Amino acid sequence: DVKVTQSSRYLVKRTGEKVFLECVQDMDHENMFWYRQDPGLGLRLIYFSYDVKMKEKGDIPEGYSVSREKKERFSLILESASTNQTSMYLCASSFSLGETYFGPGTRLTVL
Amino acid sequence: AQSVTQLGSHVSVSEGALVLLRCNYSSSVPPYLFWYVQYPNQGLQLLLKYTSAATLVKGINGFEAEFKKSETSFHLTKPSAHMSDAAEYFCAVSDQDSSASKIIFGSGTRLSIRP
Repeated sequence: DVKVTQSSRYLVKRTGEKVFLECVQDMDHENMFWYRQDPGLGLRLIYFSYDVKMKEKGDIPEGYSVSREKKERFSLILESASTNQTSMYLCASSFSLGETYFGPGTRLTVL
Repeated sequence: AQSVTQLGSHVSVSEGALVLLRCNYSSSVPPYLFWYVQYPNQGLQLLLKYTSAATLVKGINGFEAEFKKSETSFHLTKPSAHMSDAAEYFCAVSDQDSSASKIIFGSGTRLSIRP
């Protein structure tokens, strides 16, 4: 059974804290993605990676960075969390032109 | 660049009635199109996908979608709604210009089922 796992389902942080969201996939996919989901806005792509150590900006990269040191792991970093980064964060992975699999999401609240 | 537009942020139907969720796409190349479903407190699950084979695509749970190039549409239908179909549905298009074939999502349609 294919799996994309995210390190936390719920997370509460304070403004200014550095936040790490971890994602691991067990399908040997080359592509990995981070989206944020907000009501009425759908899913918006933050960053993606098509290979180890490779990353590309998505539609809303400001305030975020990513790290992909190993093929199976893709981390999203909020250098200094702000209240407008309160959201649901979804990680996904895929082979090129293949089906995209999603993790269960991390609901982040920044106070 | 590719994009999708979902018409109607919320659709409510009676149990047993036809479900119709609308999606229009914009793409400069033949698109790959998807419908995903998200049940409460869960991630997204693929319902069906169009990859330039048959224009009528059948998916899981009795859903199907028809690719209509002339209308740039990919509407999702189900003949008879069940209570378990209540969820949020996302139409999406694959950005084939991207090195990673990233997927671009619509804003979503929340489907409610009335008893």
